Amino acid sequence: EPEVTQTPSHQVTQMGQEVILRCVPISNHLYFYWYRQILGQKVEFLVSFYNNEISEKSEIFDDQFSVERPDGSNFTLKIRSTKLEDSAMYFCASLGAGAGRAQYFGPGTRLLVL
Amino acid sequence: SQKIEQNSEALNIQEGKTATLTCNYTNYSPAYLQWYRQDPGRGPVFLLLIRENEKEKRKERLKVTFDTTLKQSLFHITASQPADSATYLCAPGGNAGGTSYGKLTFGQGTILTVHP
Repeated sequence: EPEVTQTPSHQVTQMGQEVILRCVPISNHLYFYWYRQILGQKVEFLVSFYNNEISEKSEIFDDQFSVERPDGSNFTLKIRSTKLEDSAMYFCASLGAGAGRAQYFGPGTRLLVL
Repeated sequence: SQKIEQNSEALNIQEGKTATLTCNYTNYSPAYLQWYRQDPGRGPVFLLLIRENEKEKRKERLKVTFDTTLKQSLFHITASQPADSATYLCAPGGNAGGTSYGKLTFGQGTILTVHP
């Protein structure tokens, strides 16, 4: 069964450093999402991406965040200058047209900012 | 602002019983509502979706209801098993009458533990 993959599974970085989280969505899906989950808290929406542009973003997704689909398969989330409060699990999700709106989530990247 | 509440943080039941989880929402008219399962350290896994014009949906031992008047969804697991132990998340989505393929707004989740 097709699945969403994410790399790396874990990332440790120093405050102020840039990180890039990578996702490979399911191949025929058209809509892509990033969510995050701070330890012990709920899953929060960050951004949605369709037709090579951001379709919606939350107030969490400020100027330090950016997304890109550099080729036909990868979908990336970049945090330009990480802060301690960016420490969280980051999930990528994808959605196919006509899929009944069920989003398929990747296994996540655990980001720790020191 | 939109608010989603799931009935309790934790629910403990005996194997074989039916687990019933509640999701209430306010200031929102979703076009559909989804239920996901999340295991520790893993991503949410889609279970069921119910649309605003549907009252009930079933899949194997799972049943979900959607009452747009009460602004509530109930999620049932019948003949529960220890393997059903996980956090269950509800996520209303879209806008009633709209065509959004947009974001999911999750509740805080209910931790279900099924005891043998």
